[in-house]
Amino acid sequence: AQSVTQLDSHVSVSEGTPVLLRCNYSSSYSPSLFWYVQHPNKGLQLLLKYTSAATLVKGINGFEAEFKKSETSFHLTKPSAHMSDAAEYFCVVSPRGSGTYKYIFGTGTRLKVLA
Amino acid sequence: DVKVTQSSRYLVKRTGEKVFLECVQDMDHENMFWYRQDPGLGLRLIYFSYDVKMKEKGDIPEGYSVSREKKERFSLILESASTNQTSMYLCASSQEGAVTYEQYFGPGTRLTVT
Repeated sequence: AQSVTQLDSHVSVSEGTPVLLRCNYSSSYSPSLFWYVQHPNKGLQLLLKYTSAATLVKGINGFEAEFKKSETSFHLTKPSAHMSDAAEYFCVVSPRGSGTYKYIFGTGTRLKVLA
Repeated sequence: DVKVTQSSRYLVKRTGEKVFLECVQDMDHENMFWYRQDPGLGLRLIYFSYDVKMKEKGDIPEGYSVSREKKERFSLILESASTNQTSMYLCASSQEGAVTYEQYFGPGTRLTVT
């Protein structure tokens, strides 16, 4: 079975401080993992993806995530938050090789950035 | 620039009405998806299509149907709208093959059923 858990529904940080959004997954197959961002009243935009190459993945807007198989985690980080980072973030797992097109979405983490 | 468009950003319908939500992609993608998004529940898959006229049920297909007559267009149909179908609906598309391909999303349609 496949599942994904975003450990925090809301995260608040001050502008200029580090961001950490936590994601744990469960997958019977080697997973592909994604982080998407959704700004208010917008669709989802891909931030970054892991597909079995380097375990440290760099994405857009200074975000990165590290795939840790032993911890079944794929946490999203950014060294310094910007006001424009305020949005909802979704962690997604897709089981490669399972013959399914399914994406399993986490329930989202809403990031608030304080001035 | 890749693009997925949805026919309406906001829609208000009455209970019992038949509702059509349309999605068009210009990337020649084989796969297309319909999700609904509700607070605290993330995105849930309603239906997806991997080819013209082909479809598979997702996690929550009850009360919905879909149509894909052309590769670029994927329609979601609410046969008889109910208030519990008030939600944000998101369409997405992706390339064929490995599930490692990312999905590209449209801007969403916020549907209110009164």
